[in-house]
Amino acid sequence: GIQVEQSPPDLILQEGANSTLRCNFSDSVNNLQWFHQNPWGQLINLFYIPSGTKQNGRLSATTVATERYSLLYISSSQTTDSGVYFCAALFSGNTPLVFGKGTRLSVIA
Amino acid sequence: DADVTQTPRNRITKTGKRIMLECSQTKGHDRMYWYRQDPGLGLRLIYYSFDVKDINKGEISDGYSVSRQAQAKFSLSLESAIPNQTALYFCATRRTGDSGELFFGEGSRLTVL
Repeated sequence: GIQVEQSPPDLILQEGANSTLRCNFSDSVNNLQWFHQNPWGQLINLFYIPSGTKQNGRLSATTVATERYSLLYISSSQTTDSGVYFCAALFSGNTPLVFGKGTRLSVIA
Repeated sequence: DADVTQTPRNRITKTGKRIMLECSQTKGHDRMYWYRQDPGLGLRLIYYSFDVKDINKGEISDGYSVSRQAQAKFSLSLESAIPNQTALYFCATRRTGDSGELFFGEGSRLTVL
């Protein structure tokens, strides 16, 4: 069936380190998004990236649609980057987005 | 003001009470969603609506009902709340089409005692 899998499930980093989060999806997608859930529970849109590469400050994302994966890069991590990162994929315009289970990131000072 | 507004933001209630969570949006989107998140877990879809006359069950609709009062408003009801419905609830919106980006409200934290 349609699946979105994220890895790793948990990640602990020292402040200043870099990291790569991965999202694999089981079929071709029309839409791929990355979200950050901060420790207060808010879900924040990071990237809308069905293909290609985008950058926003210390964060960047790349989706290789033909190989069915997306990567989220966090450089020079800060404690405020802590939280859970979700990717979500839209496989068809008439279905809801399918969410991965998330990667829980803890950045330690 | 937030584009997707949820009320209440926090609610404590007792078992058996009827609870309504409301969502309104100013983004002009036609598609609206309700998700549930349990502590330490991911998001699960409760109901979704593609327009005022189109409402669909998600993966965990039992014990919940919804009403799409207008394009901008989508409410979630718990007819008789039970403790295992204690969770964080999110409303989300998206415009029609393959390229519509999903936007979330700030969440409603519900505790059922």
